[in-house]
Amino acid sequence: DAKTTQPPSMDCAEGRAANLPCNHSTISGNEYVYWYRQIHSQGPQYIIHGLKNNETNEMASLIITEDRKSSTLILPHATLRDTAVYYCIVSPLRWLTFGGGTRLMVKP
Amino acid sequence: KAGVTQTPRYLIKTRGQQVTLSCSPISGHRSVSWYQQTPGQGLQFLFEYFSETQRNKGNFPGRFSGRQFSNSRSEMNVSTLELGDSALYLCASSLVWPDNTGELFFGEGSRLTVL
Repeated sequence: DAKTTQPPSMDCAEGRAANLPCNHSTISGNEYVYWYRQIHSQGPQYIIHGLKNNETNEMASLIITEDRKSSTLILPHATLRDTAVYYCIVSPLRWLTFGGGTRLMVKP
Repeated sequence: KAGVTQTPRYLIKTRGQQVTLSCSPISGHRSVSWYQQTPGQGLQFLFEYFSETQRNKGNFPGRFSGRQFSNSRSEMNVSTLELGDSALYLCASSLVWPDNTGELFFGEGSRLTVL
C-alpha cells in the first residue's frame, strides 16, 4: 500500500504558484520523498526528491517538514503544460510505490 | 542520449494467449523496473531487475514474469492472459549505487488490450 496521502485534485491559476501537499507520517529514516508527474498517456516524469533538507531544481521546490511527516511540492509559476497527475512517493531507491496522486488542473 | 525504449507500443491479444514486452534502458543504467497502470488500480510495481537478477517483486501472480539480459535489456512476460491484464505496462531504468541519483527514467509504455 502507498505510504502517502494526497488530495485527489487541485486547481491553480496560470502564472501562480502551485502548492501540492503530501502526508507521509509513516516514513522510515532511509526512505526518500519523490515527486513524479504524469501527463496524460505518457510515462511518469521525475520532478524532484529529497531526504531531509529542502530541495530546489529548475522545475520545482520541495519543502519537507522537520519531522519528515509531510512535504509540499511547489511549482513557482504554473503553466498550462503543468496540468498533470502529481505523485508523491516514499520509497527506497530503485523502485516506486505509487498512490493515487493529485490531479492538478492549471487554468487560464 | 536515447531514452528508455519500450516495444511494442500497442498490442492486442486474446484471453489465454501470452505476451512478451521488451524494454531497452538508457545506456549505463543497470536497474530496470516494471509497472502496470490500469484505471482501477493505478500504477503498480511489478518487479525490479539488476545484474540479471530479480531483486524485488510486487504483489502479482506468477503469470507475470520477467528477465534481464547481460546488456541490461529486460523483458516481461504475461502468460494465460486475462481481460484484467489490459493495461499500460511501463518500464523504468536507473543508475545504481553509488551513482544513482534517485531518479527513475520511464519509457512511454506498452499498451496491451486483451479481448
